[in-house]
Amino acid sequence: EDKVVQSPLSLVVHEGDTVTLNCSYEVTNFRSLLWYKQEKKAPTFLFMLTSSGIEKKSGRLSSILDKKELSSILNITATQTGDSAIYLCVVLKTSYDKVIFGPGTSLSVIP
Amino acid sequence: NAGVTQTPKFQVLKTGQSMTLQCAQDMNHEYMSWYRQDPGMGLRLIHYSVGAGITDQGEVPNGYNVSRSTTEDFPLRLLSAAPSQTSVYFCASSYSFLGRTGESYEQYFGPGTRLTVT
Repeated sequence: EDKVVQSPLSLVVHEGDTVTLNCSYEVTNFRSLLWYKQEKKAPTFLFMLTSSGIEKKSGRLSSILDKKELSSILNITATQTGDSAIYLCVVLKTSYDKVIFGPGTSLSVIP
Repeated sequence: NAGVTQTPKFQVLKTGQSMTLQCAQDMNHEYMSWYRQDPGMGLRLIHYSVGAGITDQGEVPNGYNVSRSTTEDFPLRLLSAAPSQTSVYFCASSYSFLGRTGESYEQYFGPGTRLTVT
């Protein structure tokens, strides 16, 4: 059975801290892994990772995929209160029938 | 562009009632999909469409129907509502099927519809 696991499920940090969110997957016919940020509305796209070992960066956020370990991490440096959200890890298959979402990591950044 | 729009934002149904959740996008996107989000279970794909006139089932299609008569619209029909269908429903669209557009891929989500079935 395909599954995506995220850890931790929730996290509280202070502004300025650096956080690392983890995603691991057991999926047949893996194609890509995506990260989304979800606040009190619909998810917004952050990164898509297809190749192992290549870091994607956007401002204070970065992410990398390890296909050997079947995992990905999302790093956020110098966290701000605006980073408070649920971060979703999503795995796409090469077939057209399923998109597997992880349960999300709820991040709270306190001043 | 309005992006992806969904109506209604909130809906309460009684068991056995039917209704249609509306979804529209004005970005000329080829691919559209419906997800439901339940606590602790993440987002799950209900149905998707890779173009006008083409639809297919996702992971949890039972109890739902879809149609895609135009590129812009992708309504989701609940045939006979059940309490197990209480959830938040998201419609999403993208230029092409997931990932086919390469590194610039983005999937745009609507604001969601919160449905309660009593």
